Amino acid sequence: QSVLTQPPSASGTPGQRVTISCSGSRPNIGNNPVNWYRQLPGTAPKLLIYSNNQWPSGVPDRFSGSKSGTSASLAISGLQSEDEADYYCAAWDDSLNGYVFGTGTKVTVL
Amino acid sequence: EVQLVESGGGLIQPGGSLRLSCAASKFTFSSYWMHWVRQAPGEGLVWVSNINGDGSKIYYADSVKGRFTISRDNAKNTLYLQMNSLRAEDSALYYCVRGGTWDWGQGTLVTVSS
Repeated sequence: QSVLTQPPSASGTPGQRVTISCSGSRPNIGNNPVNWYRQLPGTAPKLLIYSNNQWPSGVPDRFSGSKSGTSASLAISGLQSEDEADYYCAAWDDSLNGYVFGTGTKVTVL
Repeated sequence: EVQLVESGGGLIQPGGSLRLSCAASKFTFSSYWMHWVRQAPGEGLVWVSNINGDGSKIYYADSVKGRFTISRDNAKNTLYLQMNSLRAEDSALYYCVRGGTWDWGQGTLVTVSS
């Protein structure tokens, strides 16, 4: 089981803002930067946010990340139908000496 | 654009072995950490292993330690995952991922079943 906990689902109507939480502990989120990934149905994951709040090239600023202590969050503003996907947080874990992914959150656009 | 093409997956009996390969192109392969990440059908992402650019640093998830071996051939721009003593719970889509920028391949499917 994952050491990073996310809500299993989140939803909103087009244009709304949705926030996804990611709860960890000191060895992972507390000590290391958090990345966020988006996985559209039937496709490979794609990096959405890196180093807590940085955007890779091509990612719109509708997506924003933040971190406080041992938790992180991803916000999606101006929700669009194409945002329906699974979202994962992840970070290196100093105790496990490994990379850990969150449990994943399925976002539904109502 | 970074290209990562996995191969080597297939149907294998429990206790068997497989070697996955990941052919990398359009970037300086030896400069990057590389990872293997797997995803069982309908399940979440699970990190398996990573290796640094010259192969001197390697880490494994506890679930595969002692059974899987990651390696790389920088002359061939290829990443490998040798999987031994395979179990049903190892069945998954295995992704090759470039570290840092986290670029993902399309994955190769491993099914462990009798």
